[in-house]
Amino acid sequence: TQLLEQSPQFLSIQEGENLTVYCNSSSVFSSLQWYRQEPGEGPVLLVTVVTGGEVKKLKRLTFQFGDARKDSSLHITAAQPGDTGLYLCAGAAYMYSGGGADGLTFGKGTHLIIQP
Amino acid sequence: DSGVTQTPKHLITATGQRVTLRCSPRSGDLSVYWYQQSLDQGLQFLIQYYNGEERAKGNILERFSAQQFPDLHSELNLSSLELGDSALYFCASSLGGGPNSPLHFGNGTRLTVT
Repeated sequence: TQLLEQSPQFLSIQEGENLTVYCNSSSVFSSLQWYRQEPGEGPVLLVTVVTGGEVKKLKRLTFQFGDARKDSSLHITAAQPGDTGLYLCAGAAYMYSGGGADGLTFGKGTHLIIQP
Repeated sequence: DSGVTQTPKHLITATGQRVTLRCSPRSGDLSVYWYQQSLDQGLQFLIQYYNGEERAKGNILERFSAQQFPDLHSELNLSSLELGDSALYFCASSLGGGPNSPLHFGNGTRLTVT
């Protein structure tokens, strides 16, 4: 069973501050997806990282896939109240042949609150 | 709007009862996934269907069952409900059936068992 640990579990900061959240595993993933979930809604895909060491930017959000494809980070610059939500990472199994439950593994998420 | 439609949005029922949750995937997507989300367990994968066939099974209880119909919509049936089944149930769809295909989630059904 592949496990994804996300840290911190909860984070509350002031508007304008920078932050980084982490997604770690002992398993290697073929790709890693980041989702944001707002209250009352389903998760929404932010980005997929595929190559070890890859860095992707989405406005003030910077995503990095670890060189060994076991971990990822999300850095937010100058956080805004609209960034509030649950951030989930999900790792895709490297060897997936169907039939099993371990194709895509979700972490438990980081609950982020940006206070105005 | 993800294009994935889930009904009903809220469901309140008593222990021992049976309910059916419905999901219409995004147009063109062949794969449907069901997830259960609770505060302590996070997002738990239940089951996946691809083009009408069961593709993968996760932590789905024997009291739960699902199917995907020829028009690709899916239903999740929960029976002999217990208090612990209270949770958010999400349906997601994707174009492909593999784990690298990004998921498009509906807004969920909040089930409360009293």
